[in-house]
Amino acid sequence: DADVTQTPRNRITKTGKRIMLECSQTKGHDRMYWYRQDPGLGLRLIYYSFDVKDINKGEISDGYSVSRQAQAKFSLSLESAIPNQTALYFCATEPPPGRSNTGELFFGEGSRLTVL
Amino acid sequence: AQKVTQAQTEISVVEKEDVTLDCVYETRDTTYYLFWYKQPPSGELVFLIRRNSFDEQNEISGRYSWNFQKSTSSFNFTITASQVVDSAVYFCALSEAFRQGGKLIFGQGTELSVKP
Repeated sequence: DADVTQTPRNRITKTGKRIMLECSQTKGHDRMYWYRQDPGLGLRLIYYSFDVKDINKGEISDGYSVSRQAQAKFSLSLESAIPNQTALYFCATEPPPGRSNTGELFFGEGSRLTVL
Repeated sequence: AQKVTQAQTEISVVEKEDVTLDCVYETRDTTYYLFWYKQPPSGELVFLIRRNSFDEQNEISGRYSWNFQKSTSSFNFTITASQVVDSAVYFCALSEAFRQGGKLIFGQGTELSVKP
């Protein structure tokens, strides 16, 4: 089983609909992230959370919200989806700073969202 | 401001050729970290390497090698004797404040196609 699990893996929805992408992890990491991937743009940070009580905006947070329900769960919501939110979304976790931390982010398998 | 540029959008080579993927970065910090990730056709993101700004030694791992040059703000990635399984999108990324978490700035990605 994957350490970082995203659901759904694929979703097609219509403009104006509310969508939630869920992320759960079994790595025990406090730090979690949501990124968005668009062709030719790489990955861009939407939101991040360093613990359950901590939520921070990333580079492109407009139109999105998040909820950190528990250490293991970090959800991304699109309150009213629009076509330019069509993208591949990745959740990631990170171990705490320390000697053994290589800086690697552990990514989920991605959630492909299409907004018609 | 931080920026990562991967000028090569697509590269196509024939198996066994050597190929270099370029990465140029911009940062004002003296302490920063550089990363390479691989995204195979299946879509997941695979961590390849992290380098910190104080370590300019080149790194070799099997057929993969990385050349970090602060003088030219570059962190290039070379695959020797490429194989079809190397076909993927490769991302270079930068983090300025490691202990503030994985707020990576990604390049646009280079799509490598290795033909048999």
